[in-house]
Amino acid sequence: KQEVTQIPAALSVPEGENLVLNCSFTDSAIYNLQWFRQDPGKGLTSLLLIQSSQREQTSGRLNASLDKSSGRSTLYIAASQPGDSATYLCAVSSGNTPLVFGKGTRLSVIA
Amino acid sequence: KAGVTQTPRYLIKTRGQQVTLSCSPISGHRSVSWYQQTPGQGLQFLFEYFSETQRNKGNFPGRFSGRQFSNSRSEMNVSTLELGDSALYLCASSTESRSSYNEQFFGPGTRLTVL
Repeated sequence: KQEVTQIPAALSVPEGENLVLNCSFTDSAIYNLQWFRQDPGKGLTSLLLIQSSQREQTSGRLNASLDKSSGRSTLYIAASQPGDSATYLCAVSSGNTPLVFGKGTRLSVIA
Repeated sequence: KAGVTQTPRYLIKTRGQQVTLSCSPISGHRSVSWYQQTPGQGLQFLFEYFSETQRNKGNFPGRFSGRQFSNSRSEMNVSTLELGDSALYLCASSTESRSSYNEQFFGPGTRLTVL
């Protein structure tokens, strides 16, 4: 059974700092991995999707990497801003199976 | 292109009642999935519908049911509500195109409170 773990559970950084969020999964037979952002009480916003054949994806200040063999993904946020404060969730898909989510990392960027 | 929409956004019910939640996927998406999110359990998968057929089902009691219509809109129903059903219910849609297989797009959710 696939399990997804995100460390740390919470993170507080000063504005402008670069940071890394971690995601690990137990079964490397994944089809893709998706990073989401969730603001309090709101739905999930898709940030990046990495297919299993890819090593990384970039969107603006965000860069996500995937190492399938070791069961790890990282989300790198450059030059963090207070508007980046949210919970970040990673989820893995193994094809025609439901997404399996981690519990998320709650990020606070202090001005 | 409009995103995933969910109605209603907020609901307050009492124990024993039933509730129906609605989800309209992104135009052209034929897969709709439902998730329950609680502070303790995180996001848990309820079920997925594709072309009006249930394709996957999570580990929830039979009080939780769903369906999908020919226009891909989906509804989920919870009967005999319990206090523990209080949660944010999220709907996600996806396309099955080769370039973005199973990329999920989520709606804003329905916040259900059971008193």
